[in-house]
Amino acid sequence: DAKTTQPPSMDCAEGRAANLPCNHSTISGNEYVYWYRQIHSQGPQYIIHGLKNNETNEMASLIITEDRKSSTLILPHATLRDTAVYYCIVRVRVKTGANNLFFGTGTRLTVIP
Amino acid sequence: EPEVTQTPSHQVTQMGQEVILRCVPISNHLYFYWYRQILGQKVEFLVSFYNNEISEKSEIFDDQFSVERPDGSNFTLKIRSTKLEDSAMYFCASSNRRQGANTEAFFGQGTRLTVV
Repeated sequence: DAKTTQPPSMDCAEGRAANLPCNHSTISGNEYVYWYRQIHSQGPQYIIHGLKNNETNEMASLIITEDRKSSTLILPHATLRDTAVYYCIVRVRVKTGANNLFFGTGTRLTVIP
Repeated sequence: EPEVTQTPSHQVTQMGQEVILRCVPISNHLYFYWYRQILGQKVEFLVSFYNNEISEKSEIFDDQFSVERPDGSNFTLKIRSTKLEDSAMYFCASSNRRQGANTEAFFGQGTRLTVV
């Protein structure tokens, strides 16, 4: 499975955009990039995923480089409630199509008032 | 909004006892998962379940663990003889298929298992 590399921590001022980078240089052509976050000890929360194209939803935007070796999650206007650990995950494909996720240590984002 | 629910939220058990953690996945989902997170550590994949059988399991999921979907709504994780190192937060998740592609996994809020 392709591994990901993320900075251990980042700070962001409230109201500003938070840009969280992720390297996945060994990603295979048919593997998706998923982003989840975990607020305190709650269950991980899905944010967004993509394959090749940039994606946007109500929570965030995902920018994937053309060579797919890295991506950036963008929270356009960070709030204090966005303080969490953010995980970039390359989804391992299995025969049944199960969405098994292998979490790394993620980036701890702290939004500062 | 549909959600994955887990019960109990906190369970304390004595070492060597059997424990069953319960989950109600989102109703039309086809894939079910268990993960665990030891305090201060990363979230670890345990097992995935599809079509009434285990799809994939990790090295953590040894013979002490088993999963079951006893009826149309519940999904359970059983630990036969708990050890101190089984103390962790256990998360259940579920996902679906749509247009041939797998959808995102939705997680429950977890059951904190404390083995004493």
